[in-house]
Amino acid sequence: GAGVSQTPSNKVTEKGKYVELRCDPISGHTALYWYRQSLGQGPEFLIYFQGTGAADDSGLPNDRFFAVRPEGSVSTLKIQRTERGDSAVYLCASSSGTRKIDEQFFGPGTRLTVL
Amino acid sequence: AQSVTQLGSHVSVSEGALVLLRCNYSSSVPPYLFWYVQYPNQGLQLLLKYTSAATLVKGINGFEAEFKKSETSFHLTKPSAHMSDAAEYFCAVSKPPGNQFYFGTGTSLTVIP
Repeated sequence: GAGVSQTPSNKVTEKGKYVELRCDPISGHTALYWYRQSLGQGPEFLIYFQGTGAADDSGLPNDRFFAVRPEGSVSTLKIQRTERGDSAVYLCASSSGTRKIDEQFFGPGTRLTVL
Repeated sequence: AQSVTQLGSHVSVSEGALVLLRCNYSSSVPPYLFWYVQYPNQGLQLLLKYTSAATLVKGINGFEAEFKKSETSFHLTKPSAHMSDAAEYFCAVSKPPGNQFYFGTGTSLTVIP
């Protein structure tokens, strides 16, 4: 596609439920990033993929959060036993992964609301 | 460790006035610095980036930023504000080798007609 796409655009769930958020990066981009943006804050790094592997998952807040990228393209962020504090906009970004300093292209985000 | 601090969560300027948005960084290695803009209900868009090639960096929409190592700053400026510049602006530093970003808390720019 022309840009990074994320689905769904909005997700409302109840406390304790499981959710999956999807990211389709720009075609050919090998690097993929997940960020979380809480209200009034800047995006917070969660996890970074280079190809299929998670190169850095140090930003994941706890073991309820998990992300996969099985074929090196689409990625899914999975949140188990959601809590109200997980409510935020989840952003995905991709970059070519081929240059030392790479622009990241961001998707529009998924707004997650946990009731 | 890499981090950025944006001073001033809200900045208001008159249309045609100078825009100055402040960003200070902390980095254990030579930093790569970025400014992104977020318009209402839109995704983050790159304004400009510092890659050590030149200390004065020009970006889109008339914005520029100057890297000052002695002050650990990378402030964003524009000589004359337009109404269309009203948005949220984020400064970010990247962490090698993966280049994941660490963002500041953002500055909301309001342009007064």
